[in-house]
Amino acid sequence: DTAVSQTPKYLVTQMGNDKSIKCEQNLGHDTMYWYKQDSKKFLKIMFSYNNKELIINETVPNRFSPKSPDKAHLNLHINSLELGDSAVYFCASSQPLQDSPLHFGNGTRLTVT
Amino acid sequence: GNSVTQMEGPVTLSEEAFLTINCTYTATGYPSLFWYVQYPGEGLQLLLKATKADDKGSNKGFEATYRKETTSFHLEKGSVQVSDSAVYFCALQTGANSKLTFGKGITLSVRP
Repeated sequence: DTAVSQTPKYLVTQMGNDKSIKCEQNLGHDTMYWYKQDSKKFLKIMFSYNNKELIINETVPNRFSPKSPDKAHLNLHINSLELGDSAVYFCASSQPLQDSPLHFGNGTRLTVT
Repeated sequence: GNSVTQMEGPVTLSEEAFLTINCTYTATGYPSLFWYVQYPGEGLQLLLKATKADDKGSNKGFEATYRKETTSFHLEKGSVQVSDSAVYFCALQTGANSKLTFGKGITLSVRP
Protein backbone atom coordinates (compact mmCIF):
# COMPACT_ATOMS: atom_id res chain seq x y z
CA ASP A 1 0.00 0.00 0.00
CA THR A 2 1.33 3.40 -0.99
CA ALA A 3 1.81 5.59 2.09
CA VAL A 4 1.85 9.00 0.39
CA SER A 5 0.33 9.11 -3.07
CA GLN A 6 0.25 12.01 -5.48
CA THR A 7 -1.64 12.42 -8.73
CA PRO A 8 -0.88 13.00 -11.48
CA LYS A 9 2.71 11.77 -11.86
CA TYR A 10 3.27 13.95 -14.92
CA LEU A 11 1.53 17.17 -15.87
CA VAL A 12 2.23 19.05 -19.09
CA THR A 13 0.31 22.24 -19.67
CA GLN A 14 0.51 25.64 -21.31
CA MET A 15 1.25 28.99 -19.74
CA GLY A 16 -1.79 30.68 -18.27
CA ASN A 17 -3.66 27.48 -17.45
CA ASP A 18 -4.87 26.46 -13.99
CA LYS A 19 -4.01 22.99 -12.65
CA SER A 20 -4.28 20.96 -9.46
CA ILE A 21 -2.16 18.26 -7.86
CA LYS A 22 -3.71 15.91 -5.32
CA CYS A 23 -2.06 14.23 -2.36
CA GLU A 24 -3.30 11.62 0.08
CA GLN A 25 -1.57 9.85 2.96
CA ASN A 26 -2.73 6.72 4.79
CA LEU A 27 -0.17 6.87 7.61
CA GLY A 28 -2.42 8.65 10.10
CA HIS A 29 -0.04 11.61 10.22
CA ASP A 30 -1.22 15.02 11.40
CA THR A 31 1.13 17.15 9.31
CA MET A 32 1.41 17.42 5.54
CA TYR A 33 3.70 19.45 3.29
CA TRP A 34 4.32 20.61 -0.23
CA TYR A 35 7.89 20.92 -1.49
CA LYS A 36 9.20 22.17 -4.83
CA GLN A 37 12.34 20.60 -6.34
CA ASP A 38 14.06 22.48 -9.15
CA SER A 39 16.20 21.11 -11.96
CA LYS A 40 19.30 21.24 -9.74
CA LYS A 41 17.55 19.04 -7.14
CA PHE A 42 17.25 21.91 -4.67
CA LEU A 43 14.27 21.40 -2.33
CA LYS A 44 12.21 24.30 -1.08
CA ILE A 45 9.29 24.02 1.30
CA MET A 46 6.13 25.75 0.13
CA PHE A 47 3.44 24.95 2.67
CA SER A 48 2.82 22.89 5.77
CA TYR A 49 -0.52 21.97 7.32
CA ASN A 50 -1.13 20.46 10.74
CA ASN A 51 -4.54 18.87 11.18
CA LYS A 52 -5.99 20.98 8.34
CA GLU A 53 -4.53 24.25 9.64
CA LEU A 54 -1.84 26.16 7.75
CA ILE A 55 1.32 26.44 9.86
CA ILE A 56 4.07 27.19 7.34
CA ASN A 57 3.61 29.42 4.33
CA GLU A 58 6.90 30.29 2.71
CA THR A 59 7.27 33.10 0.21
CA VAL A 60 5.16 31.56 -2.51
CA PRO A 61 3.19 33.51 -5.15
CA ASN A 62 -0.52 33.87 -4.46
CA ARG A 63 -1.15 31.81 -7.57
CA PHE A 64 -0.39 28.77 -5.43
CA SER A 65 -3.20 27.81 -3.07
CA PRO A 66 -3.15 24.71 -0.88
CA LYS A 67 -6.34 23.11 0.36
CA SER A 68 -6.68 20.50 3.08
CA PRO A 69 -10.21 19.04 3.23
CA ASP A 70 -9.12 16.66 6.00
CA LYS A 71 -5.85 15.72 7.63
CA ALA A 72 -5.24 12.88 5.17
CA HIS A 73 -5.40 15.12 2.09
CA LEU A 74 -3.48 18.19 0.95
CA ASN A 75 -4.08 19.42 -2.56
CA LEU A 76 -2.22 22.14 -4.44
CA HIS A 77 -3.94 24.39 -6.93
CA ILE A 78 -1.92 26.62 -9.23
CA ASN A 79 -3.47 29.48 -11.18
CA SER A 80 -2.09 31.20 -14.27
CA LEU A 81 0.83 28.85 -14.70
CA GLU A 82 4.19 30.34 -15.70
CA LEU A 83 7.29 28.80 -17.29
CA GLY A 84 9.16 29.14 -13.97
CA ASP A 85 6.65 26.88 -12.27
CA SER A 86 8.14 23.90 -14.12
CA ALA A 87 9.57 21.62 -11.43
CA VAL A 88 8.88 18.45 -9.50
CA TYR A 89 6.40 18.95 -6.67
CA PHE A 90 6.55 16.62 -3.70
CA CYS A 91 3.93 16.01 -1.07
CA ALA A 92 5.07 14.70 2.31
CA SER A 93 3.63 13.87 5.71
CA SER A 94 4.89 13.39 9.26
CA GLN A 95 3.89 13.55 12.87
CA PRO A 96 4.42 16.99 14.47
CA LEU A 97 7.48 15.90 16.45
CA GLN A 98 11.02 17.19 16.11
CA ASP A 99 12.59 13.83 15.23
CA SER A 100 9.67 12.45 13.25
CA PRO A 101 10.83 11.75 9.68
CA LEU A 102 9.00 12.95 6.60
CA HIS A 103 7.41 10.43 4.26
CA PHE A 104 7.43 11.65 0.67
CA GLY A 105 5.28 10.87 -2.31
CA ASN A 106 6.94 10.05 -5.64
CA GLY A 107 6.46 13.54 -6.99
CA THR A 108 4.56 15.29 -9.77
CA ARG A 109 6.66 16.52 -12.66
CA LEU A 110 5.07 19.72 -13.92
CA THR A 111 6.14 21.07 -17.29
CA VAL A 112 4.79 24.40 -18.42
CA THR A 113 5.22 25.19 -22.13
CA GLY B 1 18.34 31.04 11.08
CA ASN B 2 18.98 27.41 10.27
CA SER B 3 21.13 26.28 7.35
CA VAL B 4 22.77 23.11 6.05
CA THR B 5 25.88 23.05 3.88
CA GLN B 6 26.81 19.99 1.86
CA MET B 7 29.96 19.41 -0.13
CA GLU B 8 29.77 20.13 -3.83
CA GLY B 9 29.02 17.29 -6.19
CA PRO B 10 28.55 15.23 -8.17
CA VAL B 11 30.58 12.35 -6.77
CA THR B 12 31.56 9.33 -8.87
CA LEU B 13 33.05 6.24 -7.25
CA SER B 14 33.90 2.70 -8.22
CA GLU B 15 32.02 -0.15 -6.57
CA GLU B 16 33.42 -1.10 -3.13
CA ALA B 17 35.06 2.32 -2.66
CA PHE B 18 34.78 4.21 0.63
CA LEU B 19 32.28 7.05 0.70
CA THR B 20 32.28 10.26 2.72
CA ILE B 21 29.76 13.04 2.10
CA ASN B 22 30.34 16.11 4.24
CA CYS B 23 27.55 18.03 5.95
CA THR B 24 27.81 20.95 8.35
CA TYR B 25 25.03 22.99 9.87
CA THR B 26 24.10 26.13 11.74
CA ALA B 27 21.01 26.11 13.92
CA THR B 28 19.18 28.06 16.57
CA GLY B 29 18.30 25.64 19.31
CA TYR B 30 19.17 21.99 19.47
CA PRO B 31 18.47 20.31 16.13
CA SER B 32 17.71 16.78 15.09
CA LEU B 33 19.81 15.74 12.09
CA PHE B 34 18.84 13.56 9.15
CA TRP B 35 20.12 12.07 5.93
CA TYR B 36 17.58 11.47 3.21
CA VAL B 37 18.16 9.58 -0.06
CA GLN B 38 16.37 10.08 -3.37
CA TYR B 39 16.61 7.25 -5.91
CA PRO B 40 15.92 8.10 -9.56
CA GLY B 41 12.26 8.84 -10.24
CA GLU B 42 11.27 8.59 -6.59
CA GLY B 43 10.59 10.81 -3.61
CA LEU B 44 12.99 11.24 -0.73
CA GLN B 45 13.16 8.60 1.96
CA LEU B 46 14.80 8.70 5.35
CA LEU B 47 18.19 7.01 5.41
CA LEU B 48 19.20 7.67 9.01
CA LYS B 49 18.86 10.21 11.81
CA ALA B 50 20.42 11.35 15.09
CA THR B 51 18.70 13.41 17.73
CA LYS B 52 21.44 14.37 20.18
CA ALA B 53 25.17 14.97 20.35
CA ASP B 54 27.41 11.91 19.81
CA ASP B 55 24.48 9.82 18.59
CA LYS B 56 25.33 7.65 15.60
CA GLY B 57 22.63 6.96 13.04
CA SER B 58 23.06 3.89 10.84
CA ASN B 59 21.15 2.08 8.12
CA LYS B 60 22.01 -0.06 5.06
CA GLY B 61 25.72 0.17 5.85
CA PHE B 62 25.64 4.00 6.03
CA GLU B 63 26.62 5.82 9.22
CA ALA B 64 26.68 9.41 10.45
CA THR B 65 27.64 10.79 13.88
CA TYR B 66 26.13 13.96 15.37
CA ARG B 67 29.16 16.12 16.21
CA LYS B 68 28.08 19.19 18.18
CA GLU B 69 31.61 20.54 18.60
CA THR B 70 32.17 20.70 14.84
CA THR B 71 28.47 21.14 13.92
CA SER B 72 28.80 18.27 11.47
CA PHE B 73 26.93 15.15 10.42
CA HIS B 74 29.09 13.52 7.74
CA LEU B 75 27.74 10.45 5.94
CA GLU B 76 30.03 7.44 5.47
CA LYS B 77 29.87 3.98 3.97
CA GLY B 78 32.73 1.53 3.88
CA SER B 79 31.94 -0.13 0.54
CA VAL B 80 29.48 1.42 -1.90
CA GLN B 81 27.39 -0.53 -4.38
CA VAL B 82 25.95 0.41 -7.75
CA SER B 83 22.52 0.42 -6.09
CA ASP B 84 23.66 3.30 -3.83
CA SER B 85 23.61 5.64 -6.83
CA ALA B 86 21.18 8.37 -5.79
CA VAL B 87 20.93 11.95 -4.53
CA TYR B 88 21.73 12.40 -0.82
CA PHE B 89 20.33 15.23 1.29
CA CYS B 90 21.44 16.33 4.74
CA ALA B 91 18.71 18.03 6.79
CA LEU B 92 17.96 19.45 10.21
CA GLN B 93 14.92 20.33 12.25
CA THR B 94 14.54 22.35 15.44
CA GLY B 95 11.26 21.92 17.27
CA ALA B 96 7.99 20.23 16.37
CA ASN B 97 6.10 21.91 13.50
CA SER B 98 9.21 23.76 12.40
CA LYS B 99 10.28 23.23 8.84
CA LEU B 100 12.90 20.70 7.85
CA THR B 101 15.89 22.57 6.40
CA PHE B 102 17.61 20.68 3.58
CA GLY B 103 21.07 20.99 2.11
CA LYS B 104 21.44 21.29 -1.65
CA GLY B 105 21.83 17.56 -2.16
CA ILE B 106 24.67 15.68 -3.79
CA THR B 107 24.46 13.18 -6.61
CA LEU B 108 26.41 9.96 -6.12
CA SER B 109 27.13 7.68 -9.07
CA VAL B 110 28.74 4.29 -8.44
CA ARG B 111 30.42 2.52 -11.37
CA PRO B 112 30.54 -1.30 -11.57
